[in-house]
Amino acid sequence: QKEVEQDPGPLSVPEGAIVSLNCTYSNSAFQYFMWYRQYSRKGPELLMYTYSSGNKEDGRFTAQVDKSSKYISLFIRDSQPSDSATYLCAMSVSEGAQKLVFGQGTRLTINP
Amino acid sequence: KAGVTQTPRYLIKTRGQQVTLSCSPISGHRSVSWYQQTPGQGLQFLFEYFSETQRNKGNFPGRFSGRQFSNSRSEMNVSTLELGDSALYLCASSLWGGEAFFGQGTRLTVV
Repeated sequence: QKEVEQDPGPLSVPEGAIVSLNCTYSNSAFQYFMWYRQYSRKGPELLMYTYSSGNKEDGRFTAQVDKSSKYISLFIRDSQPSDSATYLCAMSVSEGAQKLVFGQGTRLTINP
Repeated sequence: KAGVTQTPRYLIKTRGQQVTLSCSPISGHRSVSWYQQTPGQGLQFLFEYFSETQRNKGNFPGRFSGRQFSNSRSEMNVSTLELGDSALYLCASSLWGGEAFFGQGTRLTVV
């Protein structure tokens, strides 16, 4: 069983829809949680970084962490075609040492 | 502010050869980590360097090695290349840990 599970999709939604992306994890030692966006043939781009249970909002993006359920989510409001990409969740045990464990990534397509 | 720079962007090597990839982190960042990305295994952690010392290591064979220089630039080396080493190799930098910013990657093809 992988430490981090993420539905690979693909996920296709119409422009303007609210998108929900999710990851579950098995290692209760994970304390820091990230969401990355990766366009084809590019490196991952950091979207959200959080370390506490609850919600964190940044523009159209909201990251949600539920440590008791070992579940994290990324919500995208008013989705745009430019949001079409692969979204990766990542997590680590320690902030001081950078060893990220990634989910498989969810391929998202926003249809105009 | 310049981002993480990886060179070269593309590389084709023959089985048995060795390869060296380079990463220049964001100015002021002291932590550099390396990841391998393949369609089957996704993104997997190789190792991390901080102030020229390896701080963490993933589950890869000893053919994969790295180093970091005093200016925080890092190199990773893969010896005795195998077909299965074909992948996108990504470098990430951070101040001392925490938020990690990735470069564009080096796409290595082993033939």
